[in-house]
Amino acid sequence: GQQLNQSPQSMFIQEGEDVSMNCTSSSIFNTWLWYKQEPGEGPVLLIALYKAGELTSNGRLTAQFGITRKDSFLNISASIPSDVGIYFCAGQLRNAGNMLTFGGGTRLMVKP
Amino acid sequence: GAGVSQTPSNKVTEKGKYVELRCDPISGHTALYWYRQSLGQGPEFLIYFQGTGAADDSGLPNDRFFAVRPEGSVSTLKIQRTERGDSAVYLCASSLRGLAGVGGANVLTFGAGSRLTVL
Repeated sequence: GQQLNQSPQSMFIQEGEDVSMNCTSSSIFNTWLWYKQEPGEGPVLLIALYKAGELTSNGRLTAQFGITRKDSFLNISASIPSDVGIYFCAGQLRNAGNMLTFGGGTRLMVKP
Repeated sequence: GAGVSQTPSNKVTEKGKYVELRCDPISGHTALYWYRQSLGQGPEFLIYFQGTGAADDSGLPNDRFFAVRPEGSVSTLKIQRTERGDSAVYLCASSLRGLAGVGGANVLTFGAGSRLTVL
């Protein structure tokens, strides 16, 4: 099946630092999404990107849809302890309904 | 309801037993999805319903897995002759519409999942 390569797998940072994570694919996607998952919960949508080159912000979060349609990144500025969790990228292929392909996740740990 | 509801939240069963997992989607959402998440990995697609019919079941791993949505709302994922490798969190999601495209109507909202442990 389709594979999304997400990196890094984990990050342990100091509160206040900026964070960057990215996803790459061998296939083109027409939609990229970023989700956050906390223990015992399902993934919660953070940002959705619908056009190549699109740059979208949601508070301290900024995400971009790569020009090639094969990659996306998520930045978190001035991290805080509640940013702790697992962040997943997800791509949607053209003509695939709403089926999402997820990356392996980036586990973020923030030290106060 | 206000969100996607899944029951049970935890299920422990023995190898070879039959299991049913239930999903109650957001009211009015026509599309419903089942995903499986193994420990330390991202969710993997199992099956997608548009209304009562399974529009895409290409992610079901084998014929032991089956899902229904008889009235276009609640869905049940059924696993026969469970194996230890079936242990995972089974996530359900719903969206207002199931069509690819632009806009919030296609955004998936996930439930908290049902954690299945097969001993």
